Amino acid sequence: EAAVTQSPRSKVAVTGGKVTLSCHQTNNHDYMYWYRQDTGHGLRLIHYSYVADSTEKGDIPDGYKASRPSQENFSLILELASLSQTAVYFCASSDVDWGSSYEQYFGPGTRLTVL
Amino acid sequence: GQQVQQSPASLVLQEGENAELQCNFSSTATQLQWFYQSPGGSLVSLLSNPSGTKHTGRLTSTTVTKERRSSLHISSSQTTDSGTYLCAIEGSAGNKLTFGIGTRVLVRP
Repeated sequence: EAAVTQSPRSKVAVTGGKVTLSCHQTNNHDYMYWYRQDTGHGLRLIHYSYVADSTEKGDIPDGYKASRPSQENFSLILELASLSQTAVYFCASSDVDWGSSYEQYFGPGTRLTVL
Repeated sequence: GQQVQQSPASLVLQEGENAELQCNFSSTATQLQWFYQSPGGSLVSLLSNPSGTKHTGRLTSTTVTKERRSSLHISSSQTTDSGTYLCAIEGSAGNKLTFGIGTRVLVRP
């Protein structure tokens, strides 16, 4: 069974502070993603990566950085946390899409509260 | 950008009843995935169905790509089916999913 883990599972941060969310996958997948989920919104893509040492902007990248130091690990960094970044964050992984069907596998989520 | 609309927004069922959830999307989808989100928040992929009909357990998904719609049929609902069902599509940009807000399902005993 594919596995994506996230740490921490929940965090309370102060406005202006730095927050790092970590994701680890044992699927041997090339693609990794960070999404956020807010009440009333679907999951929205923040950053993604298709190879180690490279990241790409998703649909809502402002205020976030990402780091992919290895195939297995993908971090989301909030350099200056703001109240509007309070949300649940999900990490996911998927295999390379060579035109055939693929699926994304999600981690358990991290609940971030910025005060 | 791409949009994914799901209906109904919420649904209440008596255990044993069937349900049909709808997903409509604004542009061509090369991939479509249905997810279940538990009341606790965890996300589980139910099935991947970019076109045609697929079955898994009590779930059946039918996607009509040309009409930009997909449905998820739940048969003989159980209380453990309660949660939110999310539809997500991948467009031509590749490997990026756009999600709908979901349909919240409550199955009463």
